[in-house]
Amino acid sequence: GENVEQHPSTLSVQEGDSAVIKCTYSDSASNYFPWYKQELGKRPQLIIDIRSNVGEKKDQRIAVTLNKTAKHFSLHITETQPEDSAVYFCAASRSGGSYIPTFGRGTSLIVHP
Amino acid sequence: DVKVTQSSRYLVKRTGEKVFLECVQDMDHENMFWYRQDPGLGLRLIYFSYDVKMKEKGDIPEGYSVSREKKERFSLILESASTNQTSMYLCASINGGGSRAGYTFGSGTRLTVV
Repeated sequence: GENVEQHPSTLSVQEGDSAVIKCTYSDSASNYFPWYKQELGKRPQLIIDIRSNVGEKKDQRIAVTLNKTAKHFSLHITETQPEDSAVYFCAASRSGGSYIPTFGRGTSLIVHP
Repeated sequence: DVKVTQSSRYLVKRTGEKVFLECVQDMDHENMFWYRQDPGLGLRLIYFSYDVKMKEKGDIPEGYSVSREKKERFSLILESASTNQTSMYLCASINGGGSRAGYTFGSGTRLTVV
């Protein structure tokens, strides 16, 4: 089955700095890679996703890159703000009849004012 | 605009009790899932369901069962609660065959077994 490794487990940055979270996956058939943000005490929410036919996707201050050959994808947050502090989860899955993503273990991002 | 609702935010139960965690979604999604979330372990899949009365084991089904009598409702059952089942439980749903495949999660139920 799929195996997703996520690093780092914790990330501490100063407000305004950039933050990068990296994930690797094992199943070359995976073609959908969502990222979820979970603020303290709240539900995980989808913030950005990328499909395997695209190498990069951007939405304001967040971007995701995908390297299919190396089987890794990354979340980039620029100009971090305290409200970016949360746990971020990456996931990998195949689109199609079943949607069972495999999640990474999460990265706790702390943005210091 | 809450779309996946878990009936309880916090529950405290005694060891050996039978526990029911309820999840309801109003998006007419085919697929529903139960995860538990523990620090350092991320999200682990317990059970999922593709359709009414259908269920499949996830990665950690031991000690749990599920029920899906109606499309909108997916229940997680702890047959005999134990202290190692103290955790945050998250329900999620997703539409089958859709172009966007991200989950919608419920707010979670924090279960403490004493």
